[in-house]
Amino acid sequence: QVQLQESGPGLVKPSETLSITCNVSGGSISSTYWSWIRQPPGKGLEWIGYTFYTGSTKYNPALKSRVAVSLDTSKSQFSLKLSSVTAADTAVYYCVREGYDRGAYFDLWGRGTLVTVSS
Amino acid sequence: DIPMTQSPSFLSASVGDRVTITCRASQSISRYLNWYQQKPGKAPDLLIYAASRLQSGVPSRFSGRGSGTDFTLTISSLQPEDFATYYCQQSDQTPYTFGQGTKLEIK
Repeated sequence: QVQLQESGPGLVKPSETLSITCNVSGGSISSTYWSWIRQPPGKGLEWIGYTFYTGSTKYNPALKSRVAVSLDTSKSQFSLKLSSVTAADTAVYYCVREGYDRGAYFDLWGRGTLVTVSS
Repeated sequence: DIPMTQSPSFLSASVGDRVTITCRASQSISRYLNWYQQKPGKAPDLLIYAASRLQSGVPSRFSGRGSGTDFTLTISSLQPEDFATYYCQQSDQTPYTFGQGTKLEIK
């Protein structure tokens, strides 16, 4: 059974870079698209971007200038980097697997990791 | 971007009720529409994909309909465990976008 587990810093200072890693266990990472989705406290969901095992990526234009998603097949991990963070980037960050059947959908989520941006 | 609008934002209902949540896309998304359920402190769970296909393990009281711009999620007979927040999401094009959510509360 495939499982996803995020690991992140918890607290990041304004203007610094947020870095989170997602460990994929129980299955192959070289099979589908892997996304990051975030949710500010008490608010809705925002798709950040995805990566494929080939290295291809796609990002939300709203964050594109600050975001990078990468994948390491040897470690069965994928990662998110978000630069120049502000308080508006405070959120629970989820790593998510994308499935496909008559369209794409998010069928497996990590538990999420809360990242707070504060000095 | 394709903005997604859900209605209502809040819904109060009783166990056993039939409820329907609506999701509208700003442009046609064919049937590339998914529904998720989220409980407090938990990650969302996929309920319905491709507008009407039930995810494995999801009870049959959940159903989805629609195509183009207008979609619905119906719960035929509310159970205590169904009180949660529901989100629609389009996968017609990136950036993938979600509705603002519908919080279903116990009356």
